[in-house]
Amino acid sequence: KQEVTQIPAALSVPEGENLVLNCSFTDSAIYNLQWFRQDPGKGLTSLLLIQSSQREQTSGRLNASLDKSSGRSTLYIAASQPGDSATYLCAAMNSGYALNFGKGTSLLVTP
Amino acid sequence: NAGVTQTPKFQVLKTGQSMTLQCAQDMNHNSMYWYRQDPGMGLRLIYYSASEGTTDKGEVPNGYNVSRLNKREFSLRLESAAPSQTSVYFCACRRGALDSPLHFGNGTRLTVT
Repeated sequence: KQEVTQIPAALSVPEGENLVLNCSFTDSAIYNLQWFRQDPGKGLTSLLLIQSSQREQTSGRLNASLDKSSGRSTLYIAASQPGDSATYLCAAMNSGYALNFGKGTSLLVTP
Repeated sequence: NAGVTQTPKFQVLKTGQSMTLQCAQDMNHNSMYWYRQDPGMGLRLIYYSASEGTTDKGEVPNGYNVSRLNKREFSLRLESAAPSQTSVYFCACRRGALDSPLHFGNGTRLTVT
């Protein structure tokens, strides 16, 4: 069974800092790795999807990387802003169409 | 999260009562999912439907049933609610291709007393 772990569980940074969120997975036979953002009381919003054949994806200030051989993905957020405060979740997709989620990293960006 | 609509948004049930959580998507996506989210447990898959006419169990299916009514709608039924089913339930959909992301509804917050 795929196990997805996110470290740290919580992170607080001052505005303007660059930061890295980590995601590790135990089964490297994934089809893709997805990063989501969840605001309190809301559903999840897809941020980036990296296919198994790709090494990274970028969207604005966000950059996600994937290293299948080591079972790791990182989400890099540049020049963080208070509006980036949310919980960030990663999910690995193996066979059977199902995604396995990590428990998330709760990010607080202080002004 | 326009595209995936869940009803109701909030529900309180007594132990033993039944109810159906409704989910509809207007994105013309093939696959639909039901997850539950609990503090400290993360998101866990209850059931999914890879395409219209098929459903499969996820990680935590016990106590639940699903119906893929048509391509748009995927409902989750609790036949006899238990306090352990107190949770936030999310419906999601994806186009079906391996490069298609998951799109979520805003959730149903269920409390079973």
